[in-house]
Amino acid sequence: GAGVSQSPSNKVTEKGKDVELRCDPISGHTALYWYRQRLGQGLEFLIYFQGNSAPDKSGLPSDRFSAERTGESVSTLTIQRTQQEDSAVYLCASRRGRLAGHTGELFFGEGSRLTVL
Amino acid sequence: QKEVEQNSGPLSVPEGAIASLNCTYSDRGSQSFFWYRQYSGKSPELIMSIYSNGDKEDGRFTAQLNKASQYVSLLIRDSQPSDSATYLCAVKFGSEKLVFGKGTKLTVNP
Repeated sequence: GAGVSQSPSNKVTEKGKDVELRCDPISGHTALYWYRQRLGQGLEFLIYFQGNSAPDKSGLPSDRFSAERTGESVSTLTIQRTQQEDSAVYLCASRRGRLAGHTGELFFGEGSRLTVL
Repeated sequence: QKEVEQNSGPLSVPEGAIASLNCTYSDRGSQSFFWYRQYSGKSPELIMSIYSNGDKEDGRFTAQLNKASQYVSLLIRDSQPSDSATYLCAVKFGSEKLVFGKGTKLTVNP
């Protein structure tokens, strides 16, 4: 597709349930990022993937959060045993090439809005 | 802890004025700095990048970087109501990690 695609766009779940969010990056983009944005707040880094390198998981807030990416394609972010504080918009972004080359443009998807009741 | 700090605002300016947005960062070794704009309910989009000390101009936007002071700013000249948005400062830490500030909400009043 032309842009970063995320699904679902909206998810309402009950506390304690597991959720899975999906991101389909722009074709050819080797880097993929997940961010969390709580209402009225900035972007909180969660994880990034770069090609076949080990992902940087330093932003994952707890062991309830995990993410996978198959090669340079789709990524899934899984939140186990959801809590009310997990309610946020989860944004996925992709980028072509390495950030070290100065190119800093991340292309963001429209986000997945998660509401935990 | 890699941190990016912004004045959360809100910042309100009249149409035609200069809007000044500021950002400080914690890592003196950072080399790449970006400004993203996020309209309400939308995703962020890149508007400026800067890597060297000094000013970089692009149309009505000027990014300013002072690495010694660990400070980066964005000036918007001749502000328009369509510039009303949240502006996010982002800093590259290490090789690939891009950390965003909390953003400054700008309102341009007609």
